[in-house]
Amino acid sequence: EAGVVQSPRYKIIEKKQPVAFWCNPISGHNTLYWYRQNLGQGPELLIRYENEEAVDDSQLPKDRFSAERLKGVDSTLKIQPAELGDSAVYLCASSSRQGQETQYFGPGTRLLVL
Amino acid sequence: QQPVQSPQAVILREGEDAVINCSSSKALYSVHWYRQKHGEAPVFLMILLKGGEQKGHEKISASFNEKKQQSSLYLTASQLSYSGTYFCGTWGRAAGGGNKLTFGTGTQLKVEL
Repeated sequence: EAGVVQSPRYKIIEKKQPVAFWCNPISGHNTLYWYRQNLGQGPELLIRYENEEAVDDSQLPKDRFSAERLKGVDSTLKIQPAELGDSAVYLCASSSRQGQETQYFGPGTRLLVL
Repeated sequence: QQPVQSPQAVILREGEDAVINCSSSKALYSVHWYRQKHGEAPVFLMILLKGGEQKGHEKISASFNEKKQQSSLYLTASQLSYSGTYFCGTWGRAAGGGNKLTFGTGTQLKVEL
């Protein structure tokens, strides 16, 4: 069974440019998460989806970040415009249902903003 | 608030044992343990639930003290493949309502020959 797929794996952009990350969760997983991981730190939750509904986006900087999960499968996370402080690894994870279920992570997108 | 892990880093010789601790200031429903190798995704190791139920790894064990809001991960007879950064994730109340997994500060483990 395929794991969580993310693309691109690496992205280098200049500040003020837009950027988008894509995630395809494990087949059948209704819950999808986007995390940001800064260097040397643990992942921090940005947003959680139950099917196509965003049920927890309290940590998402809504002035520049947006996310969508059309049809309750793939998801896209966008930053516009990017700032230097956005440089981090953006991880997508999925679980079979909400609650204390195991979250399976994708390889992440490493973003560098110059 | 982020759980605190200790030690921050540890170096072992192959075959030695190690204990990684995770402590939270909030009430916990469960603790999840992950290992992340450099440049890779976090990989699930184990989940400990309230009431003592434990699901996870064959060669790694863990404990969960609900009253003290602490968990410990026990690595015995370490192998080179155990090297990586270990994160605990605590499932509890989120500031914005509901529950979420909050990851700890991480423990870097290196196993040498």
